Amino acid sequence: DGGITQSPKYLFRKEGQNVTLSCEQNLNHDAMYWYRQDPGQGLRLIYYSQIVNDFQKGDIAEGYSVSREKKESFPLTVTSAQKNPTAFYLCASSIRGTGSADTQYFGPGTRLTVL
Amino acid sequence: DQQVKQNSPSLSVQEGRISILNCDYTNSMFDYFLWYKKYPAEGPTFLISISSIKDKNEDGRFTVFLNKSAKHLSLHIVPSQPGDSAVYFCAATFRNSGNTPLVFGKGTRLSVIA
Repeated sequence: DGGITQSPKYLFRKEGQNVTLSCEQNLNHDAMYWYRQDPGQGLRLIYYSQIVNDFQKGDIAEGYSVSREKKESFPLTVTSAQKNPTAFYLCASSIRGTGSADTQYFGPGTRLTVL
Repeated sequence: DQQVKQNSPSLSVQEGRISILNCDYTNSMFDYFLWYKKYPAEGPTFLISISSIKDKNEDGRFTVFLNKSAKHLSLHIVPSQPGDSAVYFCAATFRNSGNTPLVFGKGTRLSVIA
């Protein structure tokens, strides 16, 4: 089955620890994205990548880092510098980069709770 | 500054009636608009889109209308079903003019009452 997977579904971490969220897609999409959803805030863009080995900051990149070493993988690290890391994190992908306005398809999300 | 606004946080509709979800945008350069549906603790799923060269796009029970002069779009669901109860996000982007990702509104929670 083609799709986007995010793991784990629920993640708990202690304050001050870095944590990495996984995102994998087998859709052969070039572009991948990370969003954060908070209650009443909609979806806010953290980072995006249009091609392998390249990525750009979104609106709320502070306290996060990403890598794009493979086309199918776009892991997100939530660092201890992120002041309010507890949130629902969504990964998405699209066929091409943002300039072509392709539809983005989303993974199931990871709920991160920092204790 | 919010470029895409969904001013109604929630909407309740009787089963079988029409649901109308509204979205306003401020950036006249946006030329492609999308609607996503989201259930709790799941990722959004793409519903329907419209290019700025059109004023209407229909797909089954879902129709999106675009009024460029008013910078307004709406999603009509007819007839509404209990399974349509979800949060609906409006999104906008530029089709060919730059590297701007999708800009999302804050969402409208639709409740369809049986």
